[in-house]
Amino acid sequence: AQSVAQPEDQVNVAEGNPLTVKCTYSVSGNPYLFWYVQYPNRGLQFLLKYITGDNLVKGSYGFEAEFNKSQTSFHLKKPSALVSDSALYFCAVRDDNQGGKLIFGQGTELSVKP
Amino acid sequence: KAGVTQTPRYLIKTRGQQVTLSCSPISGHRSVSWYQQTPGQGLQFLFEYFSETQRNKGNFPGRFSGRQFSNSRSEMNVSTLELGDSALYLCASSLVRQGLDEKLFFGSGTQLSVL
Repeated sequence: AQSVAQPEDQVNVAEGNPLTVKCTYSVSGNPYLFWYVQYPNRGLQFLLKYITGDNLVKGSYGFEAEFNKSQTSFHLKKPSALVSDSALYFCAVRDDNQGGKLIFGQGTELSVKP
Repeated sequence: KAGVTQTPRYLIKTRGQQVTLSCSPISGHRSVSWYQQTPGQGLQFLFEYFSETQRNKGNFPGRFSGRQFSNSRSEMNVSTLELGDSALYLCASSLVRQGLDEKLFFGSGTQLSVL
């Protein structure tokens, strides 16, 4: 079965520093990978996706993600973190063996301190 | 353009009761999916409806059911509530079925507490 794992429950970063939120995947076939963000008391918002093509994908709010096939990873990155980036981040994979539904990771809580 | 609307925002029920949650998708979106979010389990897929038909289902007991109306609005029903059903229930809409349209638009959710 397709799956994603987010090895860190929480990531703490100082404002202005680069941030990385990690995600690894396990799929049979081509991976279709996504990042979503959830702000407090809100639903999830789409950030970016990797379907095919360039390994570096750019998304909303200055975020980008690097697809690495050899390491089966899809880490989310931002060069300079903002306090307003503090939120819950979810990695997801499309499961084409089960009707194309999105399978989400457990989520990583990002905390950016001033 | 209005987003995905879920009602009610909060709900408190007791064990054994049943509950119905509502979701209005973005205008023009035909697919509605439901997810259960808990701190321990993350987001778990419940089911997806497209054109009034259930197209996909997750690993939840039969107490969890849903339906979709001709205007694409969807309802989710949970019967014989258990304490473990306490969770945030999220609805997501998309233009076409998941797998064909990768971008889901989520509502703010219904927070269900079972006492």
